[in-house]
Amino acid sequence: GAVVSQHPSRVICKSGTSVKIECRSLDFQATTMFWYRQFPKQSLMLMATSNEGSKATYEQGVEKDKFLINHASLTLSTLTVTSAHPEDSSFYICGIRGPGNTIYFGEGSWLTVV
Amino acid sequence: QQQVKQSPQSLIVQKGGISIINCAYENTAFDYFPWYQQFPGKGPALLIAIRPDVSEKKEGRFTISFNKSAKQFSLHIMDSQPGDSATYFCAATLSGNTGKLIFGQGTTLQVKP
Repeated sequence: GAVVSQHPSRVICKSGTSVKIECRSLDFQATTMFWYRQFPKQSLMLMATSNEGSKATYEQGVEKDKFLINHASLTLSTLTVTSAHPEDSSFYICGIRGPGNTIYFGEGSWLTVV
Repeated sequence: QQQVKQSPQSLIVQKGGISIINCAYENTAFDYFPWYQQFPGKGPALLIAIRPDVSEKKEGRFTISFNKSAKQFSLHIMDSQPGDSATYFCAATLSGNTGKLIFGQGTTLQVKP
C-alpha cells in the first residue's frame, strides 16, 4: 500500500495566488521529507529538505521565500508556492526517508498556473 | 561530483528481451544506489536498491550489477514485458543522515509486444 500520501493530485491556480501541497507519511514517522520538482520528460530535481521542527534546507537556486516549507509534525510536510506564476507550473513530488535510508515518494501534484 | 550520469536516454526492447540501463557516479561518498520506476503522471516507485559492499542484487526479473572500482552500476530487466514500459531513474544517496537523493537523467523504456 501507499507509504506517502500527497494532496492535491492536481491543482490549477491563478497567477499571483498561493497554493499549498500536503505530503503525509502514512506508515512511519518521518523526521526528514524531501520536495522535488519535475518538468515534463526531465529528471527529478531536489528543491529542499524538510526537517521536522526546524527550518527547511533549500538547494542552490531555489527561492525559499517563494517555496515555503513547513514540517510541523512527524507525518506532515507542506509546500506552499507563493505568488505563483506560469513558470512555476510543474509536477511536485514529495519523498520521505524511511528505514534503511530508503526514500519513498508520493504520487505527485500537478500544478498549473494560469 | 554530485552528478549521476545515466544512459541511454531511451531504449526500445522486444518483449522477452533484456533491457540494460547504465549509471555512473563520481562521488565515492555515495553509499546507497536505488532504482526507481516512474509511469506517466505518477510518482517514482522504488524498484530495487543496492549498497556498495555487494556486487549484484537480484529481485525477480530485476538485477542490479555494481562495480565499485569503476563507479558504475546498471539495471538489467530480464524477459522484458510491455508492462515494464516506463521511465527508469537510477539514483545515489550520500552517507549520513542527509539522505539526499541525487537522480540520474532517466531512461525511457519501451517494450514492444
